[in-house]
Amino acid sequence: DVKVTQSSRYLVKRTGEKVFLECVQDMDHENMFWYRQDPGLGLRLIYFSYDVKMKEKGDIPEGYSVSREKKERFSLILESASTNQTSMYLCASSFNSNQPQHFGDGTRLSIL
Amino acid sequence: SQQGEEDPQALSIQEGENATMNCSYKTSINNLQWYRQNSGRGLVHLILIRSNEREKHSGRLRVTLDTSKKSSSLLITASRAADTASYFCATRQAAGNKLTFGGGTRVLVKP
Repeated sequence: DVKVTQSSRYLVKRTGEKVFLECVQDMDHENMFWYRQDPGLGLRLIYFSYDVKMKEKGDIPEGYSVSREKKERFSLILESASTNQTSMYLCASSFNSNQPQHFGDGTRLSIL
Repeated sequence: SQQGEEDPQALSIQEGENATMNCSYKTSINNLQWYRQNSGRGLVHLILIRSNEREKHSGRLRVTLDTSKKSSSLLITASRAADTASYFCATRQAAGNKLTFGGGTRVLVKP
């Protein structure tokens, strides 16, 4: 089975901090994705990557950046955390764009 | 509004009953996918149906796709308490790598 592992289930940070969320997948998938999930808004795509060192903006990239130095790892970076970035963050991967996505268990991030 | 919109937003049924939820979308798609999310967890893929397919089954799940109406339905037959979860549809448009998710249907199956 595909395993997508997110480094933290719960995280509490302060406004202005630089925050790193890490995601690792073990199935040699090409594509990796970062979403945030908020009540009433569903899942919204922040960034995705279809290859090492490649990235594309999703629907809500403002205030975020990403890094993909190795195929199995995709990091989401909050450059200067703000309270409106309090959310559930979900990482996913897929073999290619025609295949289903496999999700991690999420990181519930609180910015105080 | 989102590409995929589920209806109803919430559903409460007794164990053993069937649960049906619908998804509507706006633009042409390559495929449509259904996912389940248990409380506090990530999403789990259930079924993928391609634009040239009309119906797919997986165990107690049945998915239909009507591209002329730009809609899909997910039927869970003989529901169990363990089916309690949120269910999301997601569409992949004809071009691009992205999935667009709907807001989900919360299903409560009462024992």
